[in-house]
Amino acid sequence: GENVEQHPSTLSVQEGDSAVIKCTYSDSASNYFPWYKQELGKRPQLIIDIRSNVGEKKDQRIAVTLNKTAKHFSLHITETQPEDSAVYFCASYRGSTLGRLYFGRGTQLTVWP
Amino acid sequence: ETGVTQSPTHLIKTRGQQVTLRCSSQSGHNTVSWYQQALGQGPQFIFQYYREEENGRGNFPPRFSGLQFPNYSSELNVNALELDDSALYLCASSNSGGALETQYFGPGTRLLVL
Repeated sequence: GENVEQHPSTLSVQEGDSAVIKCTYSDSASNYFPWYKQELGKRPQLIIDIRSNVGEKKDQRIAVTLNKTAKHFSLHITETQPEDSAVYFCASYRGSTLGRLYFGRGTQLTVWP
Repeated sequence: ETGVTQSPTHLIKTRGQQVTLRCSSQSGHNTVSWYQQALGQGPQFIFQYYREEENGRGNFPPRFSGLQFPNYSSELNVNALELDDSALYLCASSNSGGALETQYFGPGTRLLVL
């Protein structure tokens, strides 16, 4: 089955700096890669996603890049703010008769003012 | 916020008991997936329901079972509760039976087994 590895497990940055979280996956048939943000005690919230026919996608301060050959994808947050502090999860998805998400273990991002 | 709701929000049970968790999917969505999120971990797939049928299962024992109703809401049942079942249980809805689709999560039910 699919295996998603996520690094780092914790990340501390100063407000205004950039943050990068990286994930690798094992199943070359995976074709959809969402990123979720989970604040303490709340539901995972989809913040950005990318499909396998695209190499990069941006939404304001957030961007995701995908390298299908190397089977890795990354989340980039620029101009970080204290409200970006949360746990971020990457996931992979193989569209087929069963569309399950495989999650990484999460990255605790802390943005210091 | 998504339109996915779950009940109850919190639950305390003892070992050996049974529990039923409920999920209402977002309007227009016909697929519900259930995930278990242990403390400090990413969500783990339990199973998925599409048009009232189980559409795949993760690595969970048979004492984890589910249902989906004609209105696409769903239940997760866990029998013979064990201490390790303590976790946040999340449901996610989407509008396909497995094609590429975004999954929207509910707020979860936090289960504590004593």
